[in-house]
Order: sequence, then C-alpha cells, then structure tokens
Amino acid sequence: AQSVTQLGSHVSVSEGALVLLRCNYSSSVPPYLFWYVQYPNQGLQLLLKYTSAATLVKGINGFEAEFKKSETSFHLTKPSAHMSDAAEYFCAFRKTGGYNKLIFGAGTRLAVHP
Amino acid sequence: DAGVIQSPRHEVTEMGQEVTLRCKPISGHDYLFWYRQTMMRGLELLIYFNNNVPIDDSGMPEDRFSAKMPNASFSTLKIQPSEPRDSAVYFCASSLAPDSYEQYFGPGTRLTVT
Repeated sequence: AQSVTQLGSHVSVSEGALVLLRCNYSSSVPPYLFWYVQYPNQGLQLLLKYTSAATLVKGINGFEAEFKKSETSFHLTKPSAHMSDAAEYFCAFRKTGGYNKLIFGAGTRLAVHP
Repeated sequence: DAGVIQSPRHEVTEMGQEVTLRCKPISGHDYLFWYRQTMMRGLELLIYFNNNVPIDDSGMPEDRFSAKMPNASFSTLKIQPSEPRDSAVYFCASSLAPDSYEQYFGPGTRLTVT
C-alpha cells in the first residue's frame, strides 16, 4: 500500500542548530512528495515539492529536501533553525493512479529553543 | 488573490444541531478538497471534487456528513446531526489540474460540538 511515515512526532532543536525532519515513503513507482508547514491556528502551507526532476529540492524559508530512492526517503533539512520555524511539518505523498489526492503523514512538531 | 476562504472560522454548537461549513476556492482552481484534522487521527481527506463533481468521498465518515459544490466558487460541508466526536478543525483546499498537485489550504474552521 502507498503510504508515508514521519519518524518522530516531536523534534526539539536549539536556535541556530541543524533541523532534520524525517520522512519515508512506501511506493512501487516514483512518487510525488511534498512537505507542508502548519503554523499555530493556520492552514497548511507548501514548503517544497519533488516531482521527478532534481533530487535536491529547495523550498521557502531556507528549507530543502533530498529525494533518495535507495532509502525511500525525503527528509527535510534546514542548516540553521530560527525561532519562527517552530510549527508542525507534514510530509505528503501523491497517490498514483490518476488521482489528484495527497496522503499526509502524521506530522512532526518542531520546537526551537533559545 | 485572497486565497482559499473558509467560514465561519469558529463554530460552537450543541449535539444534534445541523452544522454547515463553507469554502470559496481560489479562482480558476479545478479541484477542491475537504479535510478534517484531529489530535487522534491527524489530517484526513474527507472528499474531493473536480470541476464541481465529487470524485472520491470514501473518507466521509458516515451518512451524517454531506458535501456539495453547486458552482466553481463555492462548496459546503454539512453535518446533520452533529455529535461531540465531530469536534475538529475542518480545512478546505484547492488546486489546479492536471499538472500541479500543490494544494492551497484555507485557514480552517474549528468546530466544537458540546
């Protein structure tokens, strides 16, 4: 079955430290993958997407993600965390089969402390 | 563009009452999605439309839930009768078709059923 798994429901980093949020997918065909961010009391906002082009994808706010087929992963990174990065992050997977439908992971809540 | 618009932002109602949530997608978007977000179940897709036609309603929890899209600029999600377990944040999202799978989310409606 096609699915996406986010490892770690909570991640805490210091301001200025590396941010690494993990996402693994399960699919027999190359997927389309996305990272969304949700700030408190807001809707989800697209950070970046992978659609079978470059494996290293750059997004907004200094985030990037690398698609690794051998590891079935699409981890999100940022070199230096900022307090404003505190939010919940969702990895999403576009379900193949001709449907415009995203399957979301359970989410990872990122805390950034001084 | 104003983005996806949802109303109301907050709704508090008593068990057994009818609840109607409204959504205006981004102009020109062909797809509209309704999601429900809870702590226990995360983000769930309830139903989505393409060109005002329901394509997949497999996520609608039960017959108490219904959704309509009478035209390209308006959709409703109705719960009748409402129950306390329906308390959640309901998101509407829209996207272009067919090459873009980015979904643009509204701010959500926080529903509390007492």
